[in-house]
Amino acid sequence: EPEVTQTPSHQVTQMGQEVILRCVPISNHLYFYWYRQILGQKVEFLVSFYNNEISEKSEIFDDQFSVERPDGSNFTLKIRSTKLEDSAMYFCASSVTGGRGETQYFGPGTRLLVL
Amino acid sequence: AQSVTQLGSHVSVSEGALVLLRCNYSSSVPPYLFWYVQYPNQGLQLLLKYTSAATLVKGINDFEAEFKKSETSFHLTKPSAHMSDAAEYFCAVSESGGYNKLIFGAGTRLAVHP
Repeated sequence: EPEVTQTPSHQVTQMGQEVILRCVPISNHLYFYWYRQILGQKVEFLVSFYNNEISEKSEIFDDQFSVERPDGSNFTLKIRSTKLEDSAMYFCASSVTGGRGETQYFGPGTRLLVL
Repeated sequence: AQSVTQLGSHVSVSEGALVLLRCNYSSSVPPYLFWYVQYPNQGLQLLLKYTSAATLVKGINDFEAEFKKSETSFHLTKPSAHMSDAAEYFCAVSESGGYNKLIFGAGTRLAVHP
């Protein structure tokens, strides 16, 4: 069964460094998402992406964050200058369409630790 | 704006006992509701979803949930718990407008003991 994959599974970085989290969505899916889960807290929406554009972003998704689909398969989340509070599990998800009720398929996550 | 409240951050049951995980939602429009499960060190897996068809929704691993509009609830149940059900369970609502942004509850950690 097709699944969303994410790399790396764990990343440790120093505060102020740039990180790129990578995701390969399911191949026939057109809508892509990033969510994050700070330890012990809710899963929070960051951004949705369709047709090479951001569809919606949350207030968390500030200028330090960017997303890109650099080729036909990868979907990346870049954090330009990491802060301690960016430490979290980051989940990528994809869906066939962006309609309400459409199932989003989640990857296994990247655990980011900022020191 | 939509929101989800999960009552009980931790639930503990005996193997073979009924599992009941509670979820209440707030929505100004007919909601689309989801239950996801997160096993240790894994991502979120869809258990079931409600999209305005039948109010009793059956999912994987014998889980089911009933949508009750009058109670604004979407509680998850399983008749008989198995040790492998130990995980964290998240209820989510799809926000109206926008592009299927999911709003999650805080999660309920289910422990199953022998």
